[in-house]
Amino acid sequence: SAVISQKPSRDICQRGTSLTIQCQVDSQVTMMFWYRQQPGQSLTLIATANQGSEATYESGFVIDKFPISRPNLTFSTLTVSNMSPEDSSIYLCSVAGGSGNIQYFGAGTRLSVL
Amino acid sequence: QKEVEQNSGPLSVPEGAIASLNCTYSDRVSQSFFWYRQYSGKSPELIMSIYSNGDKEDGRFTAQLNKASQYVSLLIRDSQPSDSATYLCAVSWRGLSSNTGKLIFGQGTTLQVKP
Repeated sequence: SAVISQKPSRDICQRGTSLTIQCQVDSQVTMMFWYRQQPGQSLTLIATANQGSEATYESGFVIDKFPISRPNLTFSTLTVSNMSPEDSSIYLCSVAGGSGNIQYFGAGTRLSVL
Repeated sequence: QKEVEQNSGPLSVPEGAIASLNCTYSDRVSQSFFWYRQYSGKSPELIMSIYSNGDKEDGRFTAQLNKASQYVSLLIRDSQPSDSATYLCAVSWRGLSSNTGKLIFGQGTTLQVKP
């Protein structure tokens, strides 16, 4: 499986600010995804990060709030914009490649918004 | 609405017993099924993947898939305290015309293995 580096690992932010989370993979991958895991909950897919084009967002998530970049096949960023305490969650990137749709996850970013 | 259902638990078993975790899904065209283990404060790690009906064994873990009944299960034999974690069932969503690669996760079942 690919080695996925996600940073920052955690951050405490003020309401109204933005945070950009980076996801770096040690090999080229076809698909990259961003998930949110709210406290005590399971994973919810935010969007699929498409290389060279706009991300594909899931219902309930919009580009203005969660802009995503994917400039190449090994790197993506997720920005959480204009944060509120409700955005306090763990944000996870995952990658998938080859057959079987197997996804592997980064270590996650634990975000607290005050 | 694509859904994946799990009993949130906690499921408590004594050390050495078999733990049985179950998952049902609503999307009949799903083709790929996964079990992830998530320790508290950590990210999910893949335990098993299964794609065809029947059983798939890997060490102490056995995944079982029944597409007709739309359920997938995970058996953990000789459960150890280190198996105590949340187990997430994930199902791929094929989409209307292509492989989207997206996974839909269940709520997870918390397993407690008591010494």
